[in-house]
Amino acid sequence: DIQLTQSPSFLSASVGDRVTFTCRASQGIRRFLAWYQQKPGKAPRLLISSASNLQSGVPSRFSGSGSGTEFTLTITSLQPEDFATYYCQQLNTFPWTFGQGTKVEIK
Amino acid sequence: QVQLQESGPGLVKPSETLSLTCNVSGSSIRTYYWSWIRQTPGKGLEWIGHIYYTGRTNYNPSLRSRVTISLDSSQNQFSLKLNAVTAADTAIYYCARDDTTGLFDYWGQGTLVTVSS
Repeated sequence: DIQLTQSPSFLSASVGDRVTFTCRASQGIRRFLAWYQQKPGKAPRLLISSASNLQSGVPSRFSGSGSGTEFTLTITSLQPEDFATYYCQQLNTFPWTFGQGTKVEIK
Repeated sequence: QVQLQESGPGLVKPSETLSLTCNVSGSSIRTYYWSWIRQTPGKGLEWIGHIYYTGRTNYNPSLRSRVTISLDSSQNQFSLKLNAVTAADTAIYYCARDDTTGLFDYWGQGTLVTVSS
């Protein structure tokens, strides 16, 4: 299985901050990576596909980049509703796998 | 509006079979793949497997020996059976639409299944 390692596991930030976190794949996955946001008690929500394609309805302050084995998700000007846990997922090879998540907390 | 809703027992005894159903509305089940995913505090999100309306399935090798996913297109629903459960199978189980590339664009709300005697 392809392992996805997200860093950091926890991130403390303030409203208005720019935050970036990373997802590293154990082997190359081209650009077959997605990002999800999950709030407590809710299902994950798809934010980004193909490493950088923003899904419809997702605010433009979210952006993704990367290819191969290293990917980043950036949130410019963090908003109160962005405090959540973010997961990456690879779609390159069965079985589909997820990272362990980065939890963004209020400083 | 696409909606998915899981249903099934919230408590299953060890060694028995976990059975869940996902009702789909707002999307024909004869399009897309339909997945089951579970979430635990320890292992995080784990893809269990998916099914296409033709009956074609793919399963996570870690669970393949115990999992069956089936589909009833007349009811627009699909189901999960996980045999010989243990406490390690205690999790929130989600059903999700897989857009055929592995992207999960719609999810059910999730259902907690506890394995305990």
